[in-house]
Amino acid sequence: AQTVTQSQPEMSVQEAETVTLSCTYDTSESNYYLFWYKQPPSRQMILVIRQEAYKQQNATENRFSVNFQKAAKSFSLKISDSQLGDTAMYFCASNAGNNRKLIWGLGTSLAVNP
Amino acid sequence: DTGVSQNPRHKITKRGQNVTFRCDPISEHNRLYWYRQTLGQGPEFLTYFQNEAQLEKSRLLSDRFSAERPKGSFSTLEIQRTEQGDSAMYLCASSLASGTGTGELFFGEGSRLTVL
Repeated sequence: AQTVTQSQPEMSVQEAETVTLSCTYDTSESNYYLFWYKQPPSRQMILVIRQEAYKQQNATENRFSVNFQKAAKSFSLKISDSQLGDTAMYFCASNAGNNRKLIWGLGTSLAVNP
Repeated sequence: DTGVSQNPRHKITKRGQNVTFRCDPISEHNRLYWYRQTLGQGPEFLTYFQNEAQLEKSRLLSDRFSAERPKGSFSTLEIQRTEQGDSAMYLCASSLASGTGTGELFFGEGSRLTVL
């Protein structure tokens, strides 16, 4: 069975600093995708970044990048130049195979402080 | 607006009443998912459809819960004889299932249920 673990329930960072959120996963599948979703307070869940397991290159989206370590089954999210609008719950999720339902971590609550 | 739409956004009801939520997915998406989320927790999978077929239901989905997607477009989630423990945010998401699909889900804003 797939599992996704986020070991940091809460984190905080100063505005303009860099923060890394951790995620580990377990799957026996060879073809899968990994995602980071962001859910701001009282707002909808949106995709931050995704990584295809067969791609060695780490995905990057503007200030957001991942460190994907396939052998270690680790998928951390780095947020550079943190902004107040980055304050949100961040969920790591894994999807194995052909569009199966996502398996979610419990989330990390990130607070960006001015 | 071509995003996922959910309504009502907020429903307050008395225990024992029935409630129904509606979700309109992104039009070209053939998969539709229902999740439940309580404060500070991640989404809990409830059920999903591919077109009009309900392919999987969570064990969490008691017989008081029923979901339909009659024409493969919008979906409804009905909760009968509501209980206070049903108070949560009900999230709908859609995706495009294909061999090259990434499995990315697009979420609606959710329907918040408060059972008094």
